[in-house]
Amino acid sequence: DVKVTQSSRYLVKRTGEKVFLECVQDMDHENMFWYRQDPGLGLRLIYFSYDVKMKEKGDIPEGYSVSREKKERFSLILESASTNQTSMYLCASSFLQGVYEQYFGPGTRLTVT
Amino acid sequence: QQQVKQSPQSLIVQKGGISIINCAYENTAFDYFPWYQQFPGKGPALLIAIRPDVSEKKEGRFTISFNKSAKQFSLHIMDSQPGDSATYFCAAKLTGGGNKLTFGTGTQLKVEL
Repeated sequence: DVKVTQSSRYLVKRTGEKVFLECVQDMDHENMFWYRQDPGLGLRLIYFSYDVKMKEKGDIPEGYSVSREKKERFSLILESASTNQTSMYLCASSFLQGVYEQYFGPGTRLTVT
Repeated sequence: QQQVKQSPQSLIVQKGGISIINCAYENTAFDYFPWYQQFPGKGPALLIAIRPDVSEKKEGRFTISFNKSAKQFSLHIMDSQPGDSATYFCAAKLTGGGNKLTFGTGTQLKVEL
């Protein structure tokens, strides 16, 4: 079974803190994605990566950065957390091409106070 | 700019009834249309998917109907069960888009006894 794990299920941080969300996949997938999920807005892509050290902006990259130093690991970084970044964050992975299915982790509920 | 419009936002269906969720898109360069199912506390998981060269795909009680000329596709859940209660997302992939998906806003389905 494909497994995508996220470092925390729940996280509470203060405004201005630097926040790291980590994601690990065990299927040797080339692609990894970070989404945020908000009620009524669906899943919005923040960043994705198709290879180690490669990254591309998604639809809402402002206020976020990412790091991919190893193929299995993709980190989302909030340089200075703000209250409008309170959300559910979902990581996913997939093969680069051929099989299009994305496999999702369970999500991290981040609250910024 | 939302490229995949999903409706309704929420849906209540009686056990044994048919649940129908609709999605519409504008970009004719989309070439793969999956539906994801998400249970509370879990990440989304692929339910069923279709390519635009077919008009219908059925897997058990779940059917995707695809209308290329109208740029619409829908998910039908026959004989809906309480265990189908979940949030459903339609999505679309651009040709050559490297497996990047654009998601709809989601439909919260509740199947009542």
